[in-house]
Amino acid sequence: TQLLEQSPQFLSIQEGENLTVYCNSSSVFSSLQWYRQEPGEGPVLLVTVVTGGEVKKLKRLTFQFGDARKDSSLHITAAQPGDTGLYLCAGDRGSNYKLTFGKGTLLTVNP
Amino acid sequence: DTEVTQTPKHLVMGMTNKKSLKCEQHMGHRAMYWYKQKAKKPPELMFVYSYEKLSINESVPSRFSPECPNSSLLNLHLHALQPEDSALYLCASSQEPGQISNQPQHFGDGTRLSIL
Repeated sequence: TQLLEQSPQFLSIQEGENLTVYCNSSSVFSSLQWYRQEPGEGPVLLVTVVTGGEVKKLKRLTFQFGDARKDSSLHITAAQPGDTGLYLCAGDRGSNYKLTFGKGTLLTVNP
Repeated sequence: DTEVTQTPKHLVMGMTNKKSLKCEQHMGHRAMYWYKQKAKKPPELMFVYSYEKLSINESVPSRFSPECPNSSLLNLHLHALQPEDSALYLCASSQEPGQISNQPQHFGDGTRLSIL
């Protein structure tokens, strides 16, 4: 059973379109991280959300943590080809070390 | 540029070879991690070191042997690997072995390992 369900798994869109990636669970998380990974590189941390209902913005990216801290979303406005990559959500259940990763969303933004 | 440095970037080895992967960070982080990542899949935790001591072994086969010589270095010794062990091996570090929300993990760019 996948603890963190991430959707969609694949997304191919045109430059300028908007998109939303979802990360859902039946479990409560102490925090949730979003990473972006480009080919040949390691995951790069985009944001950490901690408080239920929290919204964080990073330029054209908006991250939201659900009120019950069981789900999160990433919304990208006016996607650019440079946004292409594997987006990973990862939750922390307070275990000190262990991140539970979603399966990832492979985003391709076509020029 | 990542602050966690991994070498080599690519490694091809036979099933009878012995090799080592290296990871280095100079951020003063006291927790270090090894992950295995297959193509287009999320990273899977293998080992965690906290203050240079092994804290977590996620039931990893003994052909993978981690070592933490000091607080800045983390090695992964490989011996008698199988073709299914081919993957991207990622190292990560975090400041303290505390709450992840306050201590995010920083990843290196990984070593792409191919087993012939």
